[in-house]
Amino acid sequence: NAGVTQTPKFRVLKTGQSMTLLCAQDMNHEYMYWYRQDPGMGLRLIHYSVGEGTTAKGEVPDGYNVSRLKKQNFLLGLESAAPSQTSVYFCASSYQASNTEAFFGQGTRLTVV
Amino acid sequence: RKEVEQDPGPFNVPEGATVAFNCTYSNSASQSFFWYRQDCRKEPKLLMSVYSSGNEDGRFTAQLNRASQYISLLIRDSKLSDSATYLCVVQGSGAGSYQLTFGKGTKLSVIP
Repeated sequence: NAGVTQTPKFRVLKTGQSMTLLCAQDMNHEYMYWYRQDPGMGLRLIHYSVGEGTTAKGEVPDGYNVSRLKKQNFLLGLESAAPSQTSVYFCASSYQASNTEAFFGQGTRLTVV
Repeated sequence: RKEVEQDPGPFNVPEGATVAFNCTYSNSASQSFFWYRQDCRKEPKLLMSVYSSGNEDGRFTAQLNRASQYISLLIRDSKLSDSATYLCVVQGSGAGSYQLTFGKGTKLSVIP
């Protein structure tokens, strides 16, 4: 019953460092998403994927890159971390594009100092 | 105008009370509507979908008014375990149909 699993759960980076957040889902979902959640801002979509090998930009894509080489995995990369990227990152997946439940991972708390 | 607007609260209500949350959305082409629940420092989880005809799940009732672009959630007989943040979520149509747009959430605290 793993569902959506995010790795790591916590991370502290120095400004300019790079890192990759991994999202894995075992529900055979086509659609996967990366969100960030900041106090007073709600969840905002960074990038999403509608299937293996596809990615697209969301509302706040700048400073992030993504890849979906395998259907079950969706990676979020920060090439040069900035303090403004301090946030809680949530990955989600869904079976179809609309009118369906999105399942979220437990989140990654990232602090950039 | 924000795409999805909610009263942030907090709503502090006694056990057993009835509480209602409201939400408005700006995109009239939106197709799907949901309420998600998020506990402190946890991930959002689907509470219920919202349909034009209204729907009920136990103590929870959700209503959608497309003409007014308004969504509501009613919680009856509040329990301590209902304390959480409730997120109004709207899903678009066409090229934007994949995107879930979240409100900032309404915080509920049920007090003994």
